[in-house]
Amino acid sequence: NAGVTQTPKFQVLKTGQSMTLQCAQDMNHEYMSWYRQDPGMGLRLIHYSVGAGITDQGEVPNGYNVSRSTTEDFPLRLLSAAPSQTSVYFCASSSRNRDMNTEAFFGQGTRLTVV
Amino acid sequence: AQTVTQSQPEMSVQEAETVTLSCTYDTSESDYYLFWYKQPPSRQMILVIRQEAYKQQNATENRFSVNFQKAAKSFSLKISDSQLGDAAMYFCAYRRTGNTPLVFGKGTRLSVIA
Repeated sequence: NAGVTQTPKFQVLKTGQSMTLQCAQDMNHEYMSWYRQDPGMGLRLIHYSVGAGITDQGEVPNGYNVSRSTTEDFPLRLLSAAPSQTSVYFCASSSRNRDMNTEAFFGQGTRLTVV
Repeated sequence: AQTVTQSQPEMSVQEAETVTLSCTYDTSESDYYLFWYKQPPSRQMILVIRQEAYKQQNATENRFSVNFQKAAKSFSLKISDSQLGDAAMYFCAYRRTGNTPLVFGKGTRLSVIA
């Protein structure tokens, strides 16, 4: 069972470039979300989705775009990279079924540097 | 909005000793979940322990246990017999039931001294 697969693990971008961080899960989880982790800030929610075709903004959505065309995939797009988007990004998924584990399963993270 | 506060940015403990990490949260909900996640240098987020708010009994997982005080909105993590492998960043997290994502505290970096 692969769990949550997040790619790439590392990425360097130039200011103004765009890119997509990929996230896929094979657990048939309804919920998926993207977080960014910065020193001293914990994990902050960027965008999340409660199911295919449904997305919503989190705490820090500016500069990012998401879509959820399938249950499995939840890509995060950086429209025009800025140095302030230098961070570690995590994708997570979880089930909404109360009888199942409600914990979030995380990908391995992407360390993104914008120069 | 719900908030999670970890008031200890850094903690240290001697190997084999016990340490308690603090976490408080703010919510008006009565039904929710609380979690402690461990993040070692590998960056992987690992679930340590989970508590359901409607359960009065404190959760335990081997050397890890929590002190859940619902009225005080407090959720501390106790690590007994600390091991070098426990050194990591620890995050407290809250999740309301329903279609909601996790809300994290800022983390506590735990060092274990041999």
